[in-house]
Amino acid sequence: AQKITQTQPGMFVQEKEAVTLDCTYDTSDPSYGLFWYKQPSSGEMIFLIYQGSYDQQNATEGRYSLNFQKARKSANLVISASQLGDSAMYFCAMREGQGYSSASKIIFGSGTRLSIRP
Amino acid sequence: NAGVTQTPKFRVLKTGQSMTLLCAQDMNHEYMYWYRQDPGMGLRLIHYSVGEGTTAKGEVPDGYNVSRLKKQNFLLGLESAAPSQTSVYFCASSYGAGEAKNIQYFGAGTRLSVL
Repeated sequence: AQKITQTQPGMFVQEKEAVTLDCTYDTSDPSYGLFWYKQPSSGEMIFLIYQGSYDQQNATEGRYSLNFQKARKSANLVISASQLGDSAMYFCAMREGQGYSSASKIIFGSGTRLSIRP
Repeated sequence: NAGVTQTPKFRVLKTGQSMTLLCAQDMNHEYMYWYRQDPGMGLRLIHYSVGEGTTAKGEVPDGYNVSRLKKQNFLLGLESAAPSQTSVYFCASSYGAGEAKNIQYFGAGTRLSVL
């Protein structure tokens, strides 16, 4: 069973609009972390934002925020005021557990390709 | 700000040839990882290391070997390349594995084609 699901393979958004990229996850471990990465056409993976399972508030990093709904097991990425440079693949990822054993329990979703229209 | 550096960036191999991908990080991170990325898929963990001298298998380890002789370097080896190993390979490192310490920082990737 998929542990990280990104249901939107592709999205088109008008520049300056806000965009929400969906991510749902599945785990029975009470301790986990959720990540979002951006992969532009140049290919590198860029870390955007992190949310821990025990964090009380939603994470924010500049124009990025993570809408964390623990009961629904969703961790959607919200980009405010989108820019042309936001066009890229976006990956949601989850790390289960803590400590040494968690290093092998990092799972990536299949990604969402976001295209920003001028 | 070098961060995580991968060499080479591109490589073409013939079936049966061997090669080593080098990953170097200058952030004093304990944990290092090798992933592969195939079209339409996310990243899949090949091998990882939780410290100098240690290595462990990830989700897709077959056909690959790794070594971590120095803390800053993590090598990925293909002893006998196969066309199924055509992929983009990413190295990553993280400070630790607990909470925010598990944020992984990635290299630019190596595009490998096996003919």
